[in-house]
Formats: sequence, structure tokens, C-alpha cells
Amino acid sequence: GQQVMQIPQYQHVQEGEDFTTYCNSSTTLSNIQWYKQRPGGHPVFLIQLVKSGEVKKQKRLTFQFGEAKKNSSLHITATQTTDVGTYFCAGVNNAGNMLTFGGGTRLMVKP
Amino acid sequence: DAGVTQSPTHLIKTRGQQVTLRCSPISGHKSVSWYQQVLGQGPQFIFQYYEKEERGRGNFPDRFSARQFPNYSSELNVNALLLGDSALYLCASSFRGGADTGELFFGEGSRLTVL
Repeated sequence: GQQVMQIPQYQHVQEGEDFTTYCNSSTTLSNIQWYKQRPGGHPVFLIQLVKSGEVKKQKRLTFQFGEAKKNSSLHITATQTTDVGTYFCAGVNNAGNMLTFGGGTRLMVKP
Repeated sequence: DAGVTQSPTHLIKTRGQQVTLRCSPISGHKSVSWYQQVLGQGPQFIFQYYEKEERGRGNFPDRFSARQFPNYSSELNVNALLLGDSALYLCASSFRGGADTGELFFGEGSRLTVL
């Protein structure tokens, strides 16, 4: 079945440093979504990418969808303590399987 | 406008018991998806219902069942509970059903502990 992997599992950064999480799928994706889950909270939608090679920005967050539509990344510039949480990618493959979540990358920011 | 509401928020059961979890989607949303999130892992897809019909089922045993009502609210039932069923059960609503739901709106979840 479809598998979505994320690396790293955990990342500690000093406030102001950059952060990147990577997402890889075992199958070609029709689209990919990113969610953020604060500690003790529920996943909150950040963005959806659909086109091959697509790049979208939200303030300090930059999202990319790979040319082959099998990988994606989320980059945060100059992290802040409010960025703390777990970032999940979730993909839909071309076979129409339901949204499959990766294992997440937990970001911890030291003030 | 109210978001996705789930009940109960927390519950404790013993092995072998049965549990029913409830979810009310955002007004106007016709699709409800259920996910299981074990501590430290990503949400795992259990079911999706759209317009009261099952549209997708994840890799979960038949002990898990769900249904959607005419008002689009949904229930998830788990029979013969096992210790490994302890998890946060998340309900997500969306306007569209099928594989391309677009944005999922999650509720706060029901945290189930099985002793």
C-alpha cells in the first residue's frame, strides 16, 4: 500500500535558526497537504500542493512539491517559539487512496 | 460558526468492552473521515463517509465500524477493545468526499484509554 515517510522525526533548533522537514512517498501523488499539530492539539491544515514542482510561501514557511510528485518539503525561516509542534505531510496517490499521513516531524525551538 | 465537535473528549474502557465515538461536522460539510492517532505517530485513516455512504476504509479490523446519519453527523464504533486500541480518535470534516477532499478540518479528538 501507499507509504509516506518523513524525516527527521525530531528536530531541536535555537530560535532564529531555519528548519526543514522532508516528505517522501512510495507512489506518485496527485496532491500533497501539510498540517501542523501543536502539543495536545489537533492537526490544522496549512497548505495543499497539486502541480509538479510547485512552490508556495506563507510568510516564513516555504512549501515545495517535487518534480516527480513523490516528495515534498517544508522550510521555516528564522524559527520562532510559536512554530513548536509536529508537522505532518499527507498525500493522495493517483490510485485514489484516501489521504495518507506521514509520521510527522516534531519541531522544538529553544528561546 | 462551530467547528468539528467530538464527544466524549476522554474515556476509559477495559479490554473486551465496546465504545461509540461521535462527531458533528462543520455545517455544510457532507464528508466525515475518522483517523486513529497513536501517541507519537501520524493519523491513520480508518473510514470516510460521504452523503451517508462509505467511501473508503483503511486497514483496520472488522471490530471497527462507522455510520453517517442524515444530518451528516457520524459515529465510530469499536467492539472487543484491545489495549492497542488506546489512541486519540480524530474526526475530520470536509466539503468534498472521495480521495480529493481538499482541506480536512479536524475536531479536538476523543482520547480512548483501554485498560
